[in-house]
Parts: sequence; C-alpha cells; structure tokens
Amino acid sequence: AAGVIQSPRHLIKEKRETATLKCYPIPRHDTVYWYQQGPGQDPQFLISFYEKMQSDKGSIPDRFSAQQFSDYHSELNMSSLELGDSALYFCASSFGGGGEETQYFGPGTRLLVL
Amino acid sequence: KQEVTQIPAALSVPEGENLVLNCSFTDSAIYNLQWFRQDPGKGLTSLLLIQSSQREQTSGRLNASLDKSSGRSTLYIAASQPGDSATYLCAVKAAGNEKLTFGTGTRLTIIP
Repeated sequence: AAGVIQSPRHLIKEKRETATLKCYPIPRHDTVYWYQQGPGQDPQFLISFYEKMQSDKGSIPDRFSAQQFSDYHSELNMSSLELGDSALYFCASSFGGGGEETQYFGPGTRLLVL
Repeated sequence: KQEVTQIPAALSVPEGENLVLNCSFTDSAIYNLQWFRQDPGKGLTSLLLIQSSQREQTSGRLNASLDKSSGRSTLYIAASQPGDSATYLCAVKAAGNEKLTFGTGTRLTIIP
C-alpha cells in the first residue's frame, strides 16, 4: 500500500540558509501534519492543513512557513536556519479532519544544520 | 495543557515473555490514542488506534486498552520477540485539536 512520501530524506544546510521539505500524503488523504523530533526527544507538533487550509498550529517558529497545495502535497519552508533546527521532521497524513482518524507517518527528513 | 507520560523509560525482558507498557495523560478530553513503534533513526509506525469511545484494540500479539476517565492506556505485547525491540510511543489527540501529543516513549529491548 502507498505510504506517506517525504523528500529529501536527508539534508545538510549551513546556518542562516533556507530549506524546503516536501510531503506527499497517502492518496485520497486530505489532511497533513508536520512534526519535529529533536535528538532524544518526542515528536512535537508544528502545523497541520485540512483541505489546503491551516487547521491547527503548534510550536512552529516564525521563521518557518508551510502550505498545502491543490494536489494535497505540502511543503515546509524553513528560513534563517539555526543549529537548533537540526532534527527529524515528520509529515503525517489522514483522511478527514474530524479528529478520530489515524495519522500515518512518513519516514521523515533528517535535517542537519552546520 | 495535555501532558503524556510513559513509564518506564526503558525496559529489558527475555524473549518469550509477555509485557505491558504504560501511558498516562492529564486531560481526559481526547478523541483518540495511538500507539507507535519507532526504530532507531527511523520513522513512526502506527500500531493501534483506540477511539475515545472504545476500551481496547487488538492486532496480532498486541493489545491496547484505554481507560479515559483515569487517563491511562496500556500496550500489552504477548510472547515477545527480538524483533519487537524498539521505542514505543503513545500519542493522544485532544478534542478540538488536530495535533498529536506524544509521550517520551519506552525503549524496549527483548533479550534473545
């Protein structure tokens, strides 16, 4: 079965650079979520989109922005990167924004900021 | 603010034993609770999802229970195998929110 696809899988950037992470949800899923997992930490929710509209917002820095496109894929744009942004970034998708659906996670993008 | 706690942080058991992992949450107003498995440096694999109206869910050797009123869930693993070694995370979805709030996980090691 098709799963959530994230690209790139690994990314190395310098401080103050920008990065764009992409997420392709499971076909027919209309909701995407972004999470950040620092080393040894549990995943922290950043932001979510349902039907291309922002549906919830967590601890996402102002330097980050995200959107969901007409084909339901999503991109997380990160600017002025800091060392502390080094983490594993997960995207998850689900069908329906009602609250009771399973979130399926992608393999993650590992970002290293030097 | 929802807080999710998992105890113990790490657990080692011999192969073949049955074991229970614990998850507790502070706000009982939840939509659902999910249990995940995470291998080192890898993604999250959803194991079981329990809706707020349910008491338990089963999948193979896994059984998850939910006691919403007391803010607790357990994940029971029967006849453990070395391949079960991983970090197990529980996560709750609060009413009115899209996000999952994760616990810090239990790192499970099954000794052959």
